[in-house]
Amino acid sequence: GAVVSQHPSRVICKSGTSVKIECRSLDFQATTMFWYRQFPKQSLMLMATSNEGSKATYEQGVEKDKFLINHASLTLSTLTVTSAHPEDSSFYICSVRRASTPNSPLHFGNGTRLTVT
Amino acid sequence: AQKITQTQPGMFVQEKEAVTLDCTYDTSDPSYGLFWYKQPSSGEMIFLIYQGSYDQQNATEGRYSLNFQKARKSANLVISASQLGDSAMYFCAMREVRTSGSRLTFGEGTQLTVNP
Repeated sequence: GAVVSQHPSRVICKSGTSVKIECRSLDFQATTMFWYRQFPKQSLMLMATSNEGSKATYEQGVEKDKFLINHASLTLSTLTVTSAHPEDSSFYICSVRRASTPNSPLHFGNGTRLTVT
Repeated sequence: AQKITQTQPGMFVQEKEAVTLDCTYDTSDPSYGLFWYKQPSSGEMIFLIYQGSYDQQNATEGRYSLNFQKARKSANLVISASQLGDSAMYFCAMREVRTSGSRLTFGEGTQLTVNP
């Protein structure tokens, strides 16, 4: 069954507004979650690592004030795209790692397709 | 430098035939893991197979197998007996244990089309 739930799956918003995306781990506690971004026909690029109870770690070039991450509980991380612009239109997908063993893959949510008009 | 390279933007295969998707990687970390994911047009990321840097044997999972050539730093995915439902984007990814912890770095992907 699903390990990660992401909501909403699709959102259209107007330029200048903010959008919140939720990522939930369904049957285990995730101290760390990862947020990726994917443009059409391109690879997944890691945006930030969300850490429960502390600040997120952002990748180089990702604006932390624009992409606000909150990981307030062991099962929920949220990504808020603030003051969205058309260039923020993309596919955002979160992931968690269920175990710390070397062969443990990342489990992904179903993603959120954001369109900013 | 690219850590993961997938040189085939698109591949075509006839149904029931086998296909190999290429992946080469670059790392100085002696401990690493290689993963393959499938992404259908719906967008979800489906984990397929894993190969550890210290694994002596090539990984297999059903119709998926990994041709791991450590000296050449390649980890090609082989899909046997292709099915129409295999049409999707395929991503190779790497975890460098010492330098990146749990994070995965992805290649550019290969779009596989299975023809009837």
